[in-house]
Amino acid sequence: DTEVTQTPKHLVMGMTNKKSLKCEQHMGHRAMYWYKQKAKKPPELMFVYSYEKLSINESVPSRFSPECPNSSLLNLHLHALQPEDSALYLCASSQVLNRAGNSPLHFGNGTRLTVT
Amino acid sequence: DQQVKQNSPSLSVQEGRISILNCDYTNSMFDYFLWYKKYPAEGPTFLISISSIKDKNEDGRFTVFLNKSAKHLSLHIVPSQPGDSAVYFCAASAATGANNLFFGTGTRLTVIP
Repeated sequence: DTEVTQTPKHLVMGMTNKKSLKCEQHMGHRAMYWYKQKAKKPPELMFVYSYEKLSINESVPSRFSPECPNSSLLNLHLHALQPEDSALYLCASSQVLNRAGNSPLHFGNGTRLTVT
Repeated sequence: DQQVKQNSPSLSVQEGRISILNCDYTNSMFDYFLWYKKYPAEGPTFLISISSIKDKNEDGRFTVFLNKSAKHLSLHIVPSQPGDSAVYFCAASAATGANNLFFGTGTRLTVIP
């Protein structure tokens, strides 16, 4: 079982809907991530939170709005999405990097999003 | 621009034999490399990593080799088992204070019983 839990597993939404994806981890990690993966493509980074503060936004459109309410939770709020936003959305967490070493990311199983 | 490349989309290996998965990268700032395994309908699972100060790291049946001059790394699985059948992603990052992983396009490994 993955230690990063994502809900829901599947989501179908219309272009005018507002929905949220949720992610939770209890490994004490202080860095959390959202990735997007299209079919037959590698995961692509969207956002990074470090100590509950947004540290990286990879030029993601504003119809995607991340939120980190506390060190264990990460949300992705969705509004006015387009059909091309349909993809697998992956959450991950890790220890925060420092110069002494690196830390692997641990991924959840993702939310399969379909925008109609 | 794909900074991490896996040029073999698929690989088939007989059970018990060695599986060798290859990965190339272009960014000389990368100093941390990882391999992930992905089953359908699941997220990527971390397998093994290597820092640029090493050229080899071993964990059980899995060994990762790094050739910095060639900007190449490989994952060896010995002996291969049917349960190893999955998509394997190579990933790399630079120590910038945030763990921005760049992924390759993946190699689908099939281990034939």
